[in-house]
Amino acid sequence: GIQVEQSPPDLILQEGANSTLRCNFSDSVNNLQWFHQNPWGQLINLFYIPSGTKQNGRLSATTVATERYSLLYISSSQTTDSGVYFCAVELGNRDDKIIFGKGTRLHILP
Amino acid sequence: DGGITQSPKYLFRKEGQNVTLSCEQNLNHDAMYWYRQDPGQGLRLIYYSQIVNDFQKGDIAEGYSVSREKKESFPLTVTSAQKNPTAFYLCASSWGGLYNEQFFGPGTRLTVL
Repeated sequence: GIQVEQSPPDLILQEGANSTLRCNFSDSVNNLQWFHQNPWGQLINLFYIPSGTKQNGRLSATTVATERYSLLYISSSQTTDSGVYFCAVELGNRDDKIIFGKGTRLHILP
Repeated sequence: DGGITQSPKYLFRKEGQNVTLSCEQNLNHDAMYWYRQDPGQGLRLIYYSQIVNDFQKGDIAEGYSVSREKKESFPLTVTSAQKNPTAFYLCASSWGGLYNEQFFGPGTRLTVL
């Protein structure tokens, strides 16, 4: 089946730093989403991004579907950005499933 | 306030007992989902439902059952047939198409003793 790989697995940064998280997938997909899970387990949808670039405040995401990867950029990190970032891909018409990567654990130091 | 709720937050059960996890939403979303999360792992889809009285198996449906009698409610039963039920269970809902922007509940942490 399709493989979804996220890198790096862990990232520790000082407050104010910028970061780039990567999501690679092994087959064509119908859609891609980025999620943030806070330290208490709550998941929030960040971006719904099958292709192109979207921005929301300090966060932006770019998906290059033809090259099978997506990037999540976090600028001017804050301690509240800590948690785990997941990408998830939708397989589309041939298989109505959603597959999550294992996530990137981000820890922002004050 | 509109949202999605799960109860209880923590649940302990003895091995061999069935247990039902609650998920309720007042967002008027058509689709609802159940995911399982194990430590250090991403989410895996257990079941999903796009409309009332209809649901589909996800990747790891064995040992689980669901019902969708009302639009607002999508309870998950973890049966004794589930070999390793201890996990964090997340419910989500979305409007429009399948997996369209999902809103997640706070989760239920199930521990089987």
